[in-house]
Amino acid sequence: KAGVTQTPRYLIKTRGQQVTLSCSPISGHRSVSWYQQTPGQGLQFLFEYFSETQRNKGNFPGRFSGRQFSNSRSEMNVSTLELGDSALYLCASSPTPAETQYFGPGTRLLVL
Amino acid sequence: AQSVSQHNHHVILSEAASLELGCNYSYGGTVNLFWYVQYPGQHLQLLLKYFSGDPLVKGIKGFEAEFIKSKFSFNLRKPSVQWSDTAEYFCAVNSNAGKSTFGDGTTLTVKP
Repeated sequence: KAGVTQTPRYLIKTRGQQVTLSCSPISGHRSVSWYQQTPGQGLQFLFEYFSETQRNKGNFPGRFSGRQFSNSRSEMNVSTLELGDSALYLCASSPTPAETQYFGPGTRLLVL
Repeated sequence: AQSVSQHNHHVILSEAASLELGCNYSYGGTVNLFWYVQYPGQHLQLLLKYFSGDPLVKGIKGFEAEFIKSKFSFNLRKPSVQWSDTAEYFCAVNSNAGKSTFGDGTTLTVKP
């Protein structure tokens, strides 16, 4: 089976812009979670989707949003980018919530 | 709310030394417990997990962890580390509600 894929792998944006990141889960996985990884904050949970519904949301401002499509692919969007949004954004999929998560390579976002 | 605490931020060992990484969690209900590892330049991947049953679980590459419910702990151990074990290790908790919480991570450096 192909692993979790994330696009793009690298992204450079400027403050105030918005960005959309994409995640394709492992085939058959219906749960997708997003995390922000930074050296200072570690892995921070953003949100989790299962069957197109957001089940959980972390403590991030409303500028961070996401969605899941009927084929389980997921996107996350960050509007009005700030310098502090520079991070590695990881997507993880699992067959159902609470099972083992399989991580993608991440999208490295740099905000200038 | 769930929380995970990893006691050691950075551990440095010589090859063949024994390893124990501490992990404590805070959650009042039933949880699934995980250790993930991130080798340099690679994705996060599962090392081992505990869902139920024998509290001593064995994972890949000779790692094991023991779930002690009374102490809310899930410590990771390996009797003899190798240089190739140099990586960052994350303890994670997932309740049946599906939300995963990760610890801040422990960077392990093994000197040859």
